[in-house]
Amino acid sequence: NAGVMQNPRHLVRRRGQEARLRCSPMKGHSHVYWYRQLPEEGLKFMVYLQKENIIDESGMPKERFSAEFPKEGPSILRIQQVVRGDSAAYFCASSPLPGVGTDTQYFGPGTRLTVL
Amino acid sequence: AQSVAQPEDQVNVAEGNPLTVKCTYSVSGNPYLFWYVQYPNRGLQFLLKYITGDNLVKGSYGFEAEFNKSQTSFHLKKPSALVSDSALYFCAVRASNDYKLSFGAGTTVTVRA
Repeated sequence: NAGVMQNPRHLVRRRGQEARLRCSPMKGHSHVYWYRQLPEEGLKFMVYLQKENIIDESGMPKERFSAEFPKEGPSILRIQQVVRGDSAAYFCASSPLPGVGTDTQYFGPGTRLTVL
Repeated sequence: AQSVAQPEDQVNVAEGNPLTVKCTYSVSGNPYLFWYVQYPNRGLQFLLKYITGDNLVKGSYGFEAEFNKSQTSFHLKKPSALVSDSALYFCAVRASNDYKLSFGAGTTVTVRA
């Protein structure tokens, strides 16, 4: 049973380019969460999605960042016009049931974004 | 608001000795508490969680954690550390009616042979 999959594992972009990060949840999981880990810090919540719905994006920067989880395919975190401050590790997690409950969030290996 | 503090950036122990990684939390309402471990260039692996019931929770790889409500703590413990336990450990909390995990900054554990 494959775990949470993320790709690419490493992504290098120049300032002003777009970054697309993909997350495939564990089989049977329909709830996806994105977190960002800045250097020397813990993970910070960004967004919670269910299939075709954004439930909570309160942790997302208001500009340049967007997320989706379509009916078919992986969840996508999109960062437009990247800046150096976007350099971080982005982790995706999934759970089988709605996040408010006793379920555990299981994390993927992360995508390490470097902005030159 | 909820938060987690891991007061030690680093913990160094000799193989075979007990290992403790400290965590205190702040949350409104009943806490759900988690420990995750991160190996270099890997994702977070779930170790254990406290939801309710027995204050001593047992998890993967011989780890356990004790929930102390009065001290708002959830320290991770292992009676006999292995070199392979060397990694970055994160404590996380969320309220029982929330889904957002709040993480501590992490504690780097080094177990020397």
